[in-house]
Amino acid sequence: DVKVTQSSRYLVKRTGEKVFLECVQDMDHENMFWYRQDPGLGLRLIYFSYDVKMKEKGDIPEGYSVSREKKERFSLILESASTNQTSMYLCASSSPKTSGSTDTQYFGPGTRLTVL
Amino acid sequence: QQPVQSPQAVILREGEDAVINCSSSKALYSVHWYRQKHGEAPVFLMILLKGGEQKGHDKISASFNEKKQQSSLYLTASQLSYSGTYFCGTEVSWTGFQKLVFGTGTRLLVSP
Repeated sequence: DVKVTQSSRYLVKRTGEKVFLECVQDMDHENMFWYRQDPGLGLRLIYFSYDVKMKEKGDIPEGYSVSREKKERFSLILESASTNQTSMYLCASSSPKTSGSTDTQYFGPGTRLTVL
Repeated sequence: QQPVQSPQAVILREGEDAVINCSSSKALYSVHWYRQKHGEAPVFLMILLKGGEQKGHDKISASFNEKKQQSSLYLTASQLSYSGTYFCGTEVSWTGFQKLVFGTGTRLLVSP
């Protein structure tokens, strides 16, 4: 089974702190994603990566950065946390090899971040 | 643009049927359906590809109307375990990145 793990289930930080959220997948997937999930807004893509050291902005990248130094690990960084970044953060990975693939994204359990 | 899901919420009694719709303003290459139970990660249900057939899994099936740019998820003879929030994720073309845009979700509650 694909396994995507996230470093913390719950995290409480103070405004202005630098925050690292870690995600690890064990299926050798090329693609990894960071989403945030807020009530009424669904899942919104922050950043994704399709290879080591490669990254692309998603729909809401402002205030975030990412790092992918190893294929299995994708980190989300909040350089200076703010209260409006309080949210559930979900990591996912996938590896669709060809057009027509029926593969999909596999999600981690999420990190609920509270910024005070 | 996010696809629009309807209804936003639905309450069923066990054994009843439900339909959840996902509409896009753009032509779609694929639609992915997920279910998320409270406090858990979203779990993949099925994927529908452009030009593909209607899919089914147990009593949950889905269709993809390319002309209408819409997908529908059908839950038949609902069970308590069907409760959760259902999301559709859409792709407008195949890029290899599988960059999905998710709808805002439909909350389904099945009661005994």
